[in-house]
Amino acid sequence: DQQVKQNSPSLSVQEGRISILNCDYTNSMFDYFLWYKKYPAEGPTFLISISSIKDKNEDGRFTVFLNKSAKHLSLHIVPSQPGDSAVYFCAARGIQGAQKLVFGQGTRLTINP
Amino acid sequence: DAGVIQSPRHEVTEMGQEVTLRCKPISGHNSLFWYRQTMMRGLELLIYFNNNVPIDDSGMPEDRFSAKMPNASFSTLKIQPSEPRDSAVYFCASSWDSSRNQPQHFGDGTRLSIL
Repeated sequence: DQQVKQNSPSLSVQEGRISILNCDYTNSMFDYFLWYKKYPAEGPTFLISISSIKDKNEDGRFTVFLNKSAKHLSLHIVPSQPGDSAVYFCAARGIQGAQKLVFGQGTRLTINP
Repeated sequence: DAGVIQSPRHEVTEMGQEVTLRCKPISGHNSLFWYRQTMMRGLELLIYFNNNVPIDDSGMPEDRFSAKMPNASFSTLKIQPSEPRDSAVYFCASSWDSSRNQPQHFGDGTRLSIL
């Protein structure tokens, strides 16, 4: 049972345009959500997070939106740059205080010049 | 500051052999996590420690896998005996466990190949 799903294995975007990566979850007890970025042969790098009490969090070019009623979150990257080409994972954490993260399968983002 | 350090980066060994993966968490972090990444199952949590104590080992696939954290700056994941299906990338991550939301920080992983 996959509790966190990233339905798009890949996404291709033109440099300078907006990249939108999507993530759906099934467990309404998740209260903290994160996005990680991963380059080949490296570990995932933390990008941005959002608590379930918020619906938006912004950090520079990166914005995460959370729609609790739809159990959906998205990551917006504006403007997209070639260095953003990587695999992006969304992750969710269960009850407050527990440290266990559940990861989606990842979306490979390619930024074309 | 140094990030999470894992060793070795690559390990190739024959089935039946013992494999030991090592991890040094970020100094000051008190939670440590072992993950495994495969094509079929993605990134899955194997076990995590809080203040050197194992909290949740429900992701450990079977008794051939064991993990220890003898002190705050070192952890090992051991597979004995190893099997070809254990081939994967194993990541270690650490975080500061507090009442605030804290992200986990990952090492660069150990790519394990069991022949």
